[in-house]
Amino acid sequence: QKEVEQDPGPLSVPEGAIVSLNCTYSNSAFQYFMWYRQYSRKGPELLMYTYSSGNKEDGRFTAQVDKSSKYISLFIRDSQPSDSATYLCALNSGAGSYQLTFGKGTKLSVIP
Amino acid sequence: GAVVSQHPSRVICKSGTSVKIECRSLDFQATTMFWYRQFPKQSLMLMATSNEGSKATYEQGVEKDKFLINHASLTLSTLTVTSAHPEDSSFYICSARDLGRSSYEQYFGPGTRLTVT
Repeated sequence: QKEVEQDPGPLSVPEGAIVSLNCTYSNSAFQYFMWYRQYSRKGPELLMYTYSSGNKEDGRFTAQVDKSSKYISLFIRDSQPSDSATYLCALNSGAGSYQLTFGKGTKLSVIP
Repeated sequence: GAVVSQHPSRVICKSGTSVKIECRSLDFQATTMFWYRQFPKQSLMLMATSNEGSKATYEQGVEKDKFLINHASLTLSTLTVTSAHPEDSSFYICSARDLGRSSYEQYFGPGTRLTVT
């Protein structure tokens, strides 16, 4: 079992839809959770950073963490064509290690 | 804030030559920078962790003599691909961790596309 599982998609939704992106992980040592957005041929851009179970909201984006289930989600409300990109979850266990463990990324297409 | 630049954005070189890629944190200091490689439709593969003033730590399977990393200042790390071959063609991305933050997020550069002919 890989440390972080993420469905690669592709996922296609109509404009305005609510998008749900998910990752599951096996190592309970992970304590810090990030979501990155990567446009084609560009570097990843940090969207959300969380470290506790529950929800964190930033504009149209909501990150949700359930440590008991080892499950994290990113919700995008009122999706726009400009949201079309690959979304990567990234996890860190803390304890002085700064390396991130990435999911494979989910490719999202928002159709106008 | 938290802007990371990379130069060049794209480079084409002949087999056997060396290529240097620069990674700069523009508005923060970074004692730790990371170098990744990304193949098409795949996730990021960590190559090495670059620490300012000390030797880089390479991931298993990454040749340290082929991928030379220098992190001479708190805002600059360089990756030199020595004696490049076509199989080294890839998208190379750096990231940096903000020294002023106690959190674990990394900020990524825009990437460098290397093509070796």
